[in-house]
Amino acid sequence: GESVGLHLPTLSVQEGDNSIINCAYSNSASDYFIWYKQESGKGPQFIIDIRSNMDKRQGQRVTVLLNKTVKHLSLQIAATQPGDSAVYFCAEKVGTSYGKLTFGQGTILTVHP
Amino acid sequence: GAVVSQHPSWVICKSGTSVKIECRSLDFQATTMFWYRQFPKQSLMLMATSNEGSKATYEQGVEKDKFLINHASLTLSTLTVTSAHPEDSSFYICSAIFPGQGNEKLFFGSGTQLSVL
Repeated sequence: GESVGLHLPTLSVQEGDNSIINCAYSNSASDYFIWYKQESGKGPQFIIDIRSNMDKRQGQRVTVLLNKTVKHLSLQIAATQPGDSAVYFCAEKVGTSYGKLTFGQGTILTVHP
Repeated sequence: GAVVSQHPSWVICKSGTSVKIECRSLDFQATTMFWYRQFPKQSLMLMATSNEGSKATYEQGVEKDKFLINHASLTLSTLTVTSAHPEDSSFYICSAIFPGQGNEKLFFGSGTQLSVL
């Protein structure tokens, strides 16, 4: 079936830099997208979400961009900190599937002091 | 905020035994919970949707007789791995829907690392 995919498994940045994590999705019917952060040995933690009627949403130090034309999603983290080191997953949902998410492959973000 | 508690956080068992994992919504009622498994350095794969008061809905390829799900109350869902084998060793994660104002949020438990010897 269709799935959300990530093609960049690792990203290393210096503390203070901005990070950009990308995600390509293939299901054009998806209308809700979420970014999760997962630290080692823990469950995913919600970061930010966006609906398909938006192309940008900002949170605290994070911004999600959605390009429906090319089915691309990105997470920007400003002033990356060592505590941001984790695996980041994008996930998609088709409207009527109540809470049922399809997760992407994940990107390992490593922040060097 | 909404919290989902998962227990145990890790378990080691012998091959052939059964293991039960609990998922609780601590300050809200969850009619729907989800169970995922995650292998090392891989993504989360949905196993089943747990519905309070009714049978779980399993994803394609997931053996319902091996992964027994019970959602007997609005705050508790359990996953029992029956006759566990080494290939069942994995990180199991549950999630629960926190009802919102037209935009429900999904909260995850902290996961259970199962190691089958």
